[in-house]
Amino acid sequence: NAGVTQTPKFRVLKTGQSMTLLCAQDMNHEYMYWYRQDPGMGLRLIHYSVGEGTTAKGEVPDGYNVSRLKKQNFLLGLESAAPSQTSVYFCASSPLGAGELFFGEGSRLTVL
Amino acid sequence: AQSVAQPEDQVNVAEGNPLTVKCTYSVSGNPYLFWYVQYPNRGLQFLLKYITGDNLVKGSYGFEAEFNKSQTSFHLKKPSALVSDSALYFCAVRGPGYGNNRLAFGKGNQVVVIP
Repeated sequence: NAGVTQTPKFRVLKTGQSMTLLCAQDMNHEYMYWYRQDPGMGLRLIHYSVGEGTTAKGEVPDGYNVSRLKKQNFLLGLESAAPSQTSVYFCASSPLGAGELFFGEGSRLTVL
Repeated sequence: AQSVAQPEDQVNVAEGNPLTVKCTYSVSGNPYLFWYVQYPNRGLQFLLKYITGDNLVKGSYGFEAEFNKSQTSFHLKKPSALVSDSALYFCAVRGPGYGNNRLAFGKGNQVVVIP
């Protein structure tokens, strides 16, 4: 009964380092999303995907890249981390139609 | 564009009293509206949604929400609050043209239920 799984849950990076967050869903959902959560700002959409092999930009895509090579996985990459990318990152997935989003437990990233 | 406003940062309520968390939205066309709850260090959990039909929607844990088209509001309510309802609540919206289910979230409301 995994749902949406994010790894790692915690990570500390130095400015300029790179890393990848992995999201995996076992519900066969078509849509997947990456959001970031910052205090007082709610959730903001970084990138999303409407199917395997497709990605699109959200509200705050700068500094991030994504890939969806397999339907069940959605990767979020930071090529050169900046302190402004310190945040909690949430992955979500959604079925076709007017369905709600299902969220992972989050990945807390600190950039020093 | 689609957006949500949650005007209050924090809502304090005594245990057993009615709880209301306010949400107004802006979207072109008929909205799809959602409420989520987040407990500390956890992901967001779905509470309820309005797509069409009855303006009063019932969801998980005794919560309900009322869709008011004229006031563009979708307030979350619970008749009798519990201490365990203390959490962060998010309202979210998408317009009918967003077939990819992209949601716009409000900034969230911290609910504190006082024993």
